[in-house]
Amino acid sequence: QVLLVESGGGLVKPGGSLRLSCAASGFSFSDDFMSWIRQAPGKGLEWVSYISRSGNSIHYADSVWGRFTMSRDNAKSSLHLQMNSLRVDDTAVYYCARGEGLLASWGQGTVVTVSS
Amino acid sequence: EIEMTQSPVTLSLSPGERATLSCRASQSVSRSLAWYQQRPGQAPRLLIYASSTRATGIPARFSGAGSGTEFTLTITSLQSEDFAVYYCQQYNTWPPPWTFGQGTKVEIK
Repeated sequence: QVLLVESGGGLVKPGGSLRLSCAASGFSFSDDFMSWIRQAPGKGLEWVSYISRSGNSIHYADSVWGRFTMSRDNAKSSLHLQMNSLRVDDTAVYYCARGEGLLASWGQGTVVTVSS
Repeated sequence: EIEMTQSPVTLSLSPGERATLSCRASQSVSRSLAWYQQRPGQAPRLLIYASSTRATGIPARFSGAGSGTEFTLTITSLQSEDFAVYYCQQYNTWPPPWTFGQGTKVEIK
């Protein structure tokens, strides 16, 4: 059974940083592409970033480019999203998902609130 | 960036009725189109991929169709657990972004 568990969310001031993590189990993590998607309160879904199996190919949405850094640790079956220079409009539930474009499995999400 | 537009925004139906949801892409995405269901307070889950292929465990009352720029999701005989928000997403472009529609809420009439 595929299980994705996000952690690391919280309340942070504008300009601050947070590091999200996603613990994966139930599948061969190193064989899968992974993505982060977010959902602002009451809004739709926004793709944030993607990482290849080895971690040597990473893409970001324009809205987070230069501020967010995605990484993975295949030995620990974990995914990370380092978020710097956070803005109020980064407030959202952040989901990790298994997949490249097609998102086959999703975690339950972690809430990030950026507010002064 | 490909823009995805869903209609209607809200669909008010009774249990047992048929729901037809539409999704339009601003340019062709071939058949690289997925549908996700999101129930209140839950994460999205994959329903349909490659325009018409049901994901594992998805009931046969869910079906998808279309190619190019026009797609539909049909739910025959709505069950209580089907009242939710549905998102379409294109994954045809490389490199990303892979874009979502704004969602269609299927609510109980």
